[in-house]
Amino acid sequence: GAGVSQSPSNKVTEKGKDVELRCDPISGHTALYWYRQRLGQGLEFLIYFQGNSAPDKSGLPSDRFSAERTGESVSTLTIQRTQQEDSAVYLCASSLGASGGKLVFGPGTRLTVL
Amino acid sequence: GQNIDQPTEMTATEGAIVQINCTYQTSGFNGLFWYQQHAGEAPTFLSYNVLDGLEEKGRFSSFLSRSKGYSYLLLKELQMKDSASYLCAVRDDSNYQLIWGAGTKLIIKP
Repeated sequence: GAGVSQSPSNKVTEKGKDVELRCDPISGHTALYWYRQRLGQGLEFLIYFQGNSAPDKSGLPSDRFSAERTGESVSTLTIQRTQQEDSAVYLCASSLGASGGKLVFGPGTRLTVL
Repeated sequence: GQNIDQPTEMTATEGAIVQINCTYQTSGFNGLFWYQQHAGEAPTFLSYNVLDGLEEKGRFSSFLSRSKGYSYLLLKELQMKDSASYLCAVRDDSNYQLIWGAGTKLIIKP
């Protein structure tokens, strides 16, 4: 596609429920990143995919968070047993490769945990 | 350790010039990026520097000094729409990850 797309754009859930966030990167972009941004804060790195492997999962805050990527395409970020502290905007970005090219961000998913 | 420093907030007047500084201390370096982020929106790419010097793109310019671990973003002829956060990020050449600063919130006043 022309840009990075994410769905849903907004998600409101109850504490303890599981949520799944989706990212469609730009076609041909092999690198894919997930970030979390709390209100008024900077970008917090979560995970990075090169192709469908994840060489760096160091940013995942707990074992409630997991992510997968199908081929060099769609990625899903799953948060199990959501907590109120998980409320944030989850941003996905892709680039041509890890070593080159700028990151192009999707519009984000705003997650609110009640 | 890895560290990116930028001022938290700056205020400038419409039509004026503003310089947003970024200093970094990283274990490796493979380029410095500037992104713009309007409130409630995703970051968008502004500029990329990998060699020392000034890169100019319209009203925006970005400067890099690798020996000093320093960059700045210069915005000229400020417009109200330039009110946004400006994020500095350094790519680490060991793993090609981007290390992000917390961003500088720029407020433009008439």
